[in-house]
Amino acid sequence: AQKVTQAQTEISVVEKEDVTLDCVYETRDTTYYLFWYKQPPSGELVFLIRRNSFDEQNEISGRYSWNFQKSTSSFNFTITASQVVDSAVYFCALSSDNAGNMLTFGGGTRLMVKP
Amino acid sequence: DAGITQSPRHKVTETGTPVTLRCHQTENHRYMYWYRQDPGHGLRLIHYSYGVKDTDKGEVSDGYSVSRSKTEDFLLTLESATSSQTSVYFCAISSEGLAGAGEQYFGPGTRLTVT
Repeated sequence: AQKVTQAQTEISVVEKEDVTLDCVYETRDTTYYLFWYKQPPSGELVFLIRRNSFDEQNEISGRYSWNFQKSTSSFNFTITASQVVDSAVYFCALSSDNAGNMLTFGGGTRLMVKP
Repeated sequence: DAGITQSPRHKVTETGTPVTLRCHQTENHRYMYWYRQDPGHGLRLIHYSYGVKDTDKGEVSDGYSVSRSKTEDFLLTLESATSSQTSVYFCAISSEGLAGAGEQYFGPGTRLTVT
């Protein structure tokens, strides 16, 4: 069975602070895929990134960066110099070749960025 | 933005009544999914489709049925709504199945309340 744990249910920071959202996953498969989605207060779900299990390179996109570490089964997401518009619920998700078409989501982390 | 619409966007219904939610896409993607979102659970897969008339169950399929008679439409039916089915329902599409690890794009959601 697959499992995604986002232990931080809620984080509050002040604008311009850096913040890291944690994601720990469990899977027995050697080939798997990790995702991050953002859900702003308006409610829609926005795809942010996908990583393959065989590619451990970290990725940076503007103020966003992702740290994938297979040794600790983690796929953490860092926002640098946070802004009020970053306030949202962020979901980490996992799928694998042997899980059929199941995308397993974590419970989400609510990030509040205060001015 | 991916062309995905959901209807209705909001619905209040009584226990025991049938309810059908519609997802419509203009992207001609093969794969379509229905999720429900509940506090503390993230998103959970209800059913998915990998082609016209090809559907399968997800993690929380009890009490739900689906149909896909055209590529662009995926219907979710609650045969006899219960209060435990009060939730926000999201439709998603993907050009690849999860075995191919394609990212999913989500519709705006339908808020369903069963009284």
